[in-house]
Amino acid sequence: DQQVKQNSPSLSVQEGRISILNCDYTNSMFDYFLWYKKYPAEGPTFLISISSIKDKNEDGRFTVFLNKSAKHLSLHIVPSQPGDSAVYFCAASDASGTYKYIFGTGTRLKVLA
Amino acid sequence: NAGVTQTPKFRVLKTGQSMTLLCAQDMNHEYMYWYRQDPGMGLRLIHYSVGEGTTAKGEVPDGYNVSRLKKQNFLLGLESAAPSQTSVYFCASSYSILTGGSEQYFGPGTRLTVT
Repeated sequence: DQQVKQNSPSLSVQEGRISILNCDYTNSMFDYFLWYKKYPAEGPTFLISISSIKDKNEDGRFTVFLNKSAKHLSLHIVPSQPGDSAVYFCAASDASGTYKYIFGTGTRLKVLA
Repeated sequence: NAGVTQTPKFRVLKTGQSMTLLCAQDMNHEYMYWYRQDPGMGLRLIHYSVGEGTTAKGEVPDGYNVSRLKKQNFLLGLESAAPSQTSVYFCASSYSILTGGSEQYFGPGTRLTVT
């Protein structure tokens, strides 16, 4: 049973436009969410996070939105750049204190120049 | 500051052989994790450790063992490799909840093929 779902395996966006990556979760105990970016042949790197007490967190071109009632979060990248082309994973954790995260299956973003 | 390193980067094993993957971190992180990534499956947690001398099972622990004898090292062992263990393995580390910080820092991965 996939507790964290990324239903879009891939997404293509023109350079300069907005990229919106979506993530849904089923466990209402999740209280912390992260986005990671992964380039081929490299490990994932942390991008941005959000706590369940917030509904928005912004860091430069990256903004994460959290809708707890819908159990949905999204990552907005504005403006999109070719260097943003990568696989994006969302991850969720409950308050168990061990920082165990459940990862989604990833969305491959391609930013077209 | 090397961050998280993994040894080896690539390995091919025959069914039934054993091997150990080494993860090392130089950030003084308390928590360490082993994940596997398979096509269409995302990252799945195999085992994790919340401190030196402690280990715990994750989502997919069967067929693997781990040890954390030193704070900076986390070893993943396959006692009798099976083709189903063909995967890319990632190690990660993070600070504990007591010291703040929650994102995980990942190593570059080990690509393992079992024939």
